[in-house]
Amino acid sequence: AQSVTQPDIHITVSEGASLELRCNYSYGATPYLFWYVQSPGQGLQLLLKYFSGDTLVQGIKGFEAEFKRSQSSFNLRKPSVHWSDAAEYFCAVGPFEGGYQKVTFGTGTKLQVIP
Amino acid sequence: GAVVSQHPSRVICKSGTSVKIECRSLDFQATTMFWYRQFPKQSLMLMATSNEGSKATYEQGVEKDKFLINHASLTLSTLTVTSAHPEDSSFYICSARGGLAGYTGELFFGEGSRLTVL
Repeated sequence: AQSVTQPDIHITVSEGASLELRCNYSYGATPYLFWYVQSPGQGLQLLLKYFSGDTLVQGIKGFEAEFKRSQSSFNLRKPSVHWSDAAEYFCAVGPFEGGYQKVTFGTGTKLQVIP
Repeated sequence: GAVVSQHPSRVICKSGTSVKIECRSLDFQATTMFWYRQFPKQSLMLMATSNEGSKATYEQGVEKDKFLINHASLTLSTLTVTSAHPEDSSFYICSARGGLAGYTGELFFGEGSRLTVL
């Protein structure tokens, strides 16, 4: 069964600083990988996704993520964080099984941005 | 992107009553919808997968008689929490994906529904 690990429960960065959120997955084949962002009391918004091809994926709001098969990782990065990026971030893996997609989410990383 | 709408966003009910939450895909046909439950400061736990016109598939440990899911059309799925109790209080989120050709795996999420059972 697939699983996702987000080692950092809570991260605090200064506005303008760079950001990297870690994500490690476990799956037997090449997975579909996602990063979602959730603002308080809201649903989830897709930041970016990886299916195949270029391992460096660009997303919305200036985010990018790099798929590293050898490390089973899909870390999310942003060169310069804005105060509006404060939210909870979820990494997810979604293999395609039998016509259904069961997405497994990590436990999330809460990002705090300080002035 | 595609829009998924959930209603109500907040609901408070008395213990023992039933509550229905609706999930609608507004601008696409959702062949599959998923219902998640999110406890405070925790991740999303998949409760069930529903496909239009067929019975929902529940995850292990989820009571199908308590959490009734209906996916009667390609744009609407409902979750009914029957005989709700305080321990059912949670944030419920639906997601949907379009099917057929061009499937990209992306899920579109509703805004979530906060259920409080008194």
